[in-house]
Amino acid sequence: NAGVTQTPKFQVLKTGQSMTLQCAQDMNHNSMYWYRQDPGMGLRLIYYSASEGTTDKGEVPNGYNVSRLNKREFSLRLESAAPSQTSVYFCASSEIRRGENIQYFGAGTRLSVL
Amino acid sequence: GEDVEQSLFLSVREGDSSVINCTYTDSSSTYLYWYKQEPGAGLQLLTYIFSNMDMKQDQRLTVLLNKKDKHLSLRIADTQTGDSAIYFCAGQSGGSYIPTFGRGTSLIVHP
Repeated sequence: NAGVTQTPKFQVLKTGQSMTLQCAQDMNHNSMYWYRQDPGMGLRLIYYSASEGTTDKGEVPNGYNVSRLNKREFSLRLESAAPSQTSVYFCASSEIRRGENIQYFGAGTRLSVL
Repeated sequence: GEDVEQSLFLSVREGDSSVINCTYTDSSSTYLYWYKQEPGAGLQLLTYIFSNMDMKQDQRLTVLLNKKDKHLSLRIADTQTGDSAIYFCAGQSGGSYIPTFGRGTSLIVHP
C-alpha cells in the first residue's frame, strides 16, 4: 500500500517551460487535491476533484491546469512556468465519511523555476 | 469562508509540554484537524475533533476546543526531539467539505 505517490520529487525549470506533475493514489478515494506550500503561507489549494470526471478551482488556480485521468490519477500541468510558481507541491486524496474529510498527502514535488 | 490563524514558531525543552494554539473564524465549523509535517515530507493526520466535543485525548496528545472563542489547541505531553516538525491546524467549514489550513507552527524541541 503506497498511499499517495507523486512524481517527480524534484524539478528545475526555466521560465516559459511546461511540465506535468503526476499523482496517483491506491486507496480508492473519490476526492483528490493539489496544494502548493510556500514559506510562511501554509498550504493553499490550487485545484480539487470531488470525483472522477470533475475538477474545480481552489484558492490559487491561475497558471495551472489539472486532469483527473481516472479514479487513481490526478495530474497538475504548468503550461508556461513562472518564477512565482517556485514552490513545493502536494497532492492529497480523501474519502469523505459522515462529513469528516481526512486527507492523505504525498511526499511532495519541489519545483524551482529559474 | 474559513480563516485559520496560528503562531509561526514555538520552542520548548525536551520533556516539557508543548501547547500549539489556533483560532478560526467560521462558527459553523464541523471538524477541526491537526496535521504534522516532518522535514522533507508530506502532511500526516495527528488527530481531529468534532465540533460537539470540548476535548479529545490520544496518548500524549490532548486537543481542546473552545467554540465560544473559536480557539483550538494541541498539547503534546513529554515533548521529544522527534516531535520537532511543523504542525498545521485545519478547519472544515459547515458549508464546505474541504478544510482550510493555517500557516503552520514550527515546533523546535531542544535537548
